[in-house]
Amino acid sequence: AQSVTQLDSHVSVSEGTPVLLRCNYSSSYSPSLFWYVQHPNKGLQLLLKYTSAATLVKGINGFEAEFKKSETSFHLTKPSAHMSDAAEYFCVVSFRSGGYNKLIFGAGTRLAVHP
Amino acid sequence: DVKVTQSSRYLVKRTGEKVFLECVQDMDHENMFWYRQDPGLGLRLIYFSYDVKMKEKGDIPEGYSVSREKKERFSLILESASTNQTSMYLCASNLDRVPYEQYFGPGTRLTVT
Repeated sequence: AQSVTQLDSHVSVSEGTPVLLRCNYSSSYSPSLFWYVQHPNKGLQLLLKYTSAATLVKGINGFEAEFKKSETSFHLTKPSAHMSDAAEYFCVVSFRSGGYNKLIFGAGTRLAVHP
Repeated sequence: DVKVTQSSRYLVKRTGEKVFLECVQDMDHENMFWYRQDPGLGLRLIYFSYDVKMKEKGDIPEGYSVSREKKERFSLILESASTNQTSMYLCASNLDRVPYEQYFGPGTRLTVT
């Protein structure tokens, strides 16, 4: 069975310090994995995607994520947080069910960035 | 750039009204999806469509129906709105091939009074 666990519901950092948002997944086959960001009262925006081409994936706005199969993890990082990074972040896995492809969303991590 | 648009950002309706939420995508995507998002419950799939005039139930279809008459347009219908349908509704679309990432619209915040 497929599942996604975001290990922290809230993360708070100071501006200019590193960001780490943790995600573990469970999948019975090689998954496609994504990170999405949602700013208040907005839709979800794709940050980055893993499709087995490279384990270190670079996304928009300086974010990157590393796929670690042995740890079943796909943690999101950024070297230096900016105030505009404050948002909710979702780790997502793609899976096939009943002949259709669907997404499973993690519960989300709310990132707060303090001056 | 993929663009998914939704007809309204904010909507207020009365209990019992019929409500239409419209979604349009401009990238010739085969698949379209409707989700609702509630605090503490995350995103839940209501319905999806993999082709014109085709639809499949998601995880929470009760109280909703959908229509897809054209490839670019996917409508969510609340036949008789109830207060427990107050929520943020998100539309998404994607191509039917790996990696299946979905592209989301800005959302419609619906309030039923």
